[in-house]
Amino acid sequence: AQTVTQSQPEMSVQEAETVTLSCTYDTSESDYYLFWYKQPPSRQMILVIRQEAYKQQNATENRFSVNFQKAAKSFSLKISDSQLGDAAMYFCAYRTQNQAGTALIFGKGTTLSVSS
Amino acid sequence: NAGVTQTPKFRILKIGQSMTLQCAQDMNHNYMYWYRQDPGMGLKLIYYSVGAGITDKGEVPNGYNVSRSTTEDFPLRLELAAPSQTSVYFCASSYAGGGYGYTFGSGTRLTVV
Repeated sequence: AQTVTQSQPEMSVQEAETVTLSCTYDTSESDYYLFWYKQPPSRQMILVIRQEAYKQQNATENRFSVNFQKAAKSFSLKISDSQLGDAAMYFCAYRTQNQAGTALIFGKGTTLSVSS
Repeated sequence: NAGVTQTPKFRILKIGQSMTLQCAQDMNHNYMYWYRQDPGMGLKLIYYSVGAGITDKGEVPNGYNVSRSTTEDFPLRLELAAPSQTSVYFCASSYAGGGYGYTFGSGTRLTVV
């Protein structure tokens, strides 16, 4: 069974600085999807970024980018020019491409605090 | 606005009571999911559905039931509520298998006392 591990329960960063959140996963599959979700205090789950495993190019969305290392099964999220609004819990998630109906598997999350 | 609507947002139940958490989506997504979120534990899948009339268990289905009579609605039923069911519940939907991610509802915070 696939698993997702986020080894940093909490992280902190200063405004305008860069922070990297770690995520590793375990799978025997070659095709899959990886995601980062943001959950601010409002509780709403917001999709931040998505990566398809067959694409070697790292996904980017404005200030958010990933470092996808397929062989190492690592999928870290880099937030550049951090803003106060980035303070939230961040979840890494995995989804197989091979089986219809299977759901996202989530890590336990990393709480990011941003200070001014 | 289009999306996933969950009701209620908050609820307090007494031990042994029952209730239904409502979930509706207007995006014509075939796939719908129920997750629970406990502090420090991430999101755990309770049940999911790949279309009307089709449901299946996830990782933590005990104490819950679901039905899917229409594409739009996917209610979650709690029978005989227990303190262990105190949690935040999220409904989500996706196009096809979710390769483009899920759309989540805003969650229901349930407390069983």
